[in-house]
Amino acid sequence: GAVVSQHPSWVICKSGTSVKIECRSLDFQATTMFWYRQFPKQSLMLMATSNEGSKATYEQGVEKDKFLINHASLTLSTLTVTSAHPEDSSFYICSAPTPSGRAGYEQYFGPGTRLTVT
Amino acid sequence: GQNIDQPTEMTATEGAIVQINCTYQTSGFNGLFWYQQHAGEAPTFLSYNVLDGLEEKGRFSSFLSRSKGYSYLLLKELQMKDSASYLCAVRDSSASKIIFGSGTRLSIRP
Repeated sequence: GAVVSQHPSWVICKSGTSVKIECRSLDFQATTMFWYRQFPKQSLMLMATSNEGSKATYEQGVEKDKFLINHASLTLSTLTVTSAHPEDSSFYICSAPTPSGRAGYEQYFGPGTRLTVT
Repeated sequence: GQNIDQPTEMTATEGAIVQINCTYQTSGFNGLFWYQQHAGEAPTFLSYNVLDGLEEKGRFSSFLSRSKGYSYLLLKELQMKDSASYLCAVRDSSASKIIFGSGTRLSIRP
């Protein structure tokens, strides 16, 4: 099946700094990717839809100036958490829908990035 | 608005059967997913239903009733490794985005 990678797998940063998380589709092109956030013992909350070549679509309540999304190419989307604070500590997961032309309907999830802000 | 409800926690015995229910109210509907997630890991796809009825895949089955906004995941012959969170998710009719329910933490006891 299709593979999605994320980098880094975990990161610790100091409050006030910015952190960039990369999401790559390894063997297919993804014009759309999704970014989720998951707090401990909670479910995945959709943050935004990343669109190649255009602006990201943010879900209600997600600050677009704080969570910058750039879909630089058909295989790469990045999420930058700007001026991170301890409350931003979470598990961030990206996903990409089934590539066009392939049978299926799945979302392929990256392995996730655990962010800890001290 | 979007609302997807599941029980928060369930406990079952090894070798037994457990049913995890999910009800949803969404603005659009283009399929319902069940995912398994172990702590600290990404979700793993289990099943997909877009038409009413039962889909069976080994020890796992999933049922959908669109008119009732209802689905369940049935796990048979439970194993200790089935201890995990089970996430019900609905695909919005547009943009293929998937909205997740709160998840059900299933604990299997010997």
